[in-house]
Amino acid sequence: GAVVSQHPSWVICKSGTSVKIECRSLDFQATTMFWYRQFPKQSLMLMATSNEGSKATYEQGVEKDKFLINHASLTLSTLTVTSAHPEDSSFYICSAIGQRYNEQFFGPGTRLTVL
Amino acid sequence: GNSVTQTEGPVTLSEEAFLTINCTYTATGYPSLFWYVQYPGEGLQLLLKATKADDKGSNKGFEATYRKETTSFHLEKGSVQVSDSAVYFCALSDQGAGSYQLTFGKGTKLSVIP
Repeated sequence: GAVVSQHPSWVICKSGTSVKIECRSLDFQATTMFWYRQFPKQSLMLMATSNEGSKATYEQGVEKDKFLINHASLTLSTLTVTSAHPEDSSFYICSAIGQRYNEQFFGPGTRLTVL
Repeated sequence: GNSVTQTEGPVTLSEEAFLTINCTYTATGYPSLFWYVQYPGEGLQLLLKATKADDKGSNKGFEATYRKETTSFHLEKGSVQVSDSAVYFCALSDQGAGSYQLTFGKGTKLSVIP
């Protein structure tokens, strides 16, 4: 099956700094990538949808200037959390869809802790 | 809007026990329904899906039937194994057969003890 990786798997940063999370489709070209956020014992909440070469579409309530998403190639999307605050601490998960598939393939997630 | 409600965990079962994880949904259209599984330290994997009423999805001994009249998609397995220990997510998509724009339940953690 298709494989999606995320890097880093966990990160700790100080308040006010920016953190970049990478999502890669390893063996297929991802036309669309999704970014989710998951709080403890909560659902996965869709943050944004990104298509290669175009601007991301953000869900209502998600600050696009705070959560910068770039999908510069068919195998890589990045999520940058800018000026991080402790309330941004969460588990961030990406997924990808390719032309050959009709299902989302998920990455293993990135645990972000902001001190 | 769309929503998914599933059994609140954690659920602990002995090996070879029968498993049911309930899932009900609300949706404005005719959604496709999914069960995803997340093993420790791994990403979500599609376990099974159903795209229309009365369809039954099945995989690895798990099965779920799309019940439009009760808006449900309960996950069942006749005899669980220790290796089934994971978090299970019910989800829906209102994009037809594709899994674009998924709405997830909160997840149910299953622990199977020998």
